[in-house]
Amino acid sequence: AQTVTQSQPEMSVQEAETVTLSCTYDTSESDYYLFWYKQPPSRQMILVIRQEAYKQQNATENRFSVNFQKAAKSFSLKISDSQLGDAAMYFCAYRELSGTYKYIFGTGTRLKVLA
Amino acid sequence: KAGVTQTPRYLIKTRGQQVTLSCSPISGHRSVSWYQQTPGQGLQFLFEYFSETQRNKGNFPGRFSGRQFSNSRSEMNVSTLELGDSALYLCASSRGGGDTEAFFGQGTRLTVV
Repeated sequence: AQTVTQSQPEMSVQEAETVTLSCTYDTSESDYYLFWYKQPPSRQMILVIRQEAYKQQNATENRFSVNFQKAAKSFSLKISDSQLGDAAMYFCAYRELSGTYKYIFGTGTRLKVLA
Repeated sequence: KAGVTQTPRYLIKTRGQQVTLSCSPISGHRSVSWYQQTPGQGLQFLFEYFSETQRNKGNFPGRFSGRQFSNSRSEMNVSTLELGDSALYLCASSRGGGDTEAFFGQGTRLTVV
């Protein structure tokens, strides 16, 4: 069975600084999707970034980028120029390449942004 | 366009009762999946429906059930509520083709007393 592990329950970053959130996963599949979702106090899960495992290039979305290491089964999220609005729970998630939308989520990392 | 709508937002029920939660997906989306979020267990997959058929099911007891209607709206039902069913229930919708991400609603906060 696939598993997703986030070993950092909480992280803090100074406004305008850079922070990296860690995620490791386990799967026997060769192709799959990986995601980072953000959950602010409003509770709605918001997609931050996604990575297709068959793509070697790391995904980037504005201030957000990932370091995808397929062999090591590692998928970290880097947030540059951190803003107060980035404060939230961040979840790493795995999904198979097949049509089903069953996500496997990590336990989350609470990110605090200090002014 | 309108996002994923979950109703009600908050619900308080008594042990032993049953409850029905509703999810209206984004227009054009045919897949609806449900998740339970608790502080202890995190986010756990309940089930997914696509074109009115259950396509996948998580490891939950039979008290948890769901269905999807022809307009893609979905309901989930929990019978004989237990205190441990208190959670945030999230619904996510997607086109269903497998190559696009899911969009989540704001959830229904269920409290069982």
